[in-house]
Amino acid sequence: GESVGLHLPTLSVQEGDNSIINCAYSNSASDYFIWYKQESGKGPQFIIDIRSNMDKRQGQRVTVLLNKTVKHLSLQIAATQPGDSAVYFCAEPRPPYGQNFVFGPGTRLSVLP
Amino acid sequence: GAVVSQHPSWVICKSGTSVKIECRSLDFQATTMFWYRQFPKQSLMLMATSNEGSKATYEQGVEKDKFLINHASLTLSTLTVTSAHPEDSSFYICSARDSSTSQETQYFGPGTRLLVL
Repeated sequence: GESVGLHLPTLSVQEGDNSIINCAYSNSASDYFIWYKQESGKGPQFIIDIRSNMDKRQGQRVTVLLNKTVKHLSLQIAATQPGDSAVYFCAEPRPPYGQNFVFGPGTRLSVLP
Repeated sequence: GAVVSQHPSWVICKSGTSVKIECRSLDFQATTMFWYRQFPKQSLMLMATSNEGSKATYEQGVEKDKFLINHASLTLSTLTVTSAHPEDSSFYICSARDSSTSQETQYFGPGTRLLVL
């Protein structure tokens, strides 16, 4: 069903450290996942996506890992920078046709100086 | 590429008035656009799916007569909040899919913050 975030998890990391943001998805038949970054007062920005036939995909400073066995998705950010501070959402296609997406509750990443 | 704009970026209005929000895909065509609402510290909630040249599909619990959607061209969808009330105050975000590709990725606009007094 729809994910409604009443409580926003927060992750605080030191600048320069690596960040790992986790997401549990609900539909074992989902074949595509996206991570979005949303800065305060702005719309979500596409970061990286992954298809279910992969278990890892790398971008620039970001890596997404997919574990279909436990329906778990993670976003790893290397050498976290102050500009990475934002709320991060994972999204999976909404059944039955996947025309739109179900968004996770989001995780707020705070980068400490 | 894949830029989506929204206008206005913020609006303050009196209770009972109507507000129109525009969503444009600037460098691609979008037969399908989506309208979301986001309350503080919450995730995005899909309101409706806007289809070019046809009626929008509304999510359960969203009043179609209150939130009028028009998708008259491949690059423009509008959301009109009719007879707005303070409880309609929220952050409204649109997204669009590129019709020329099979990619499912949605590209989001910057959002419109609505405050109803």
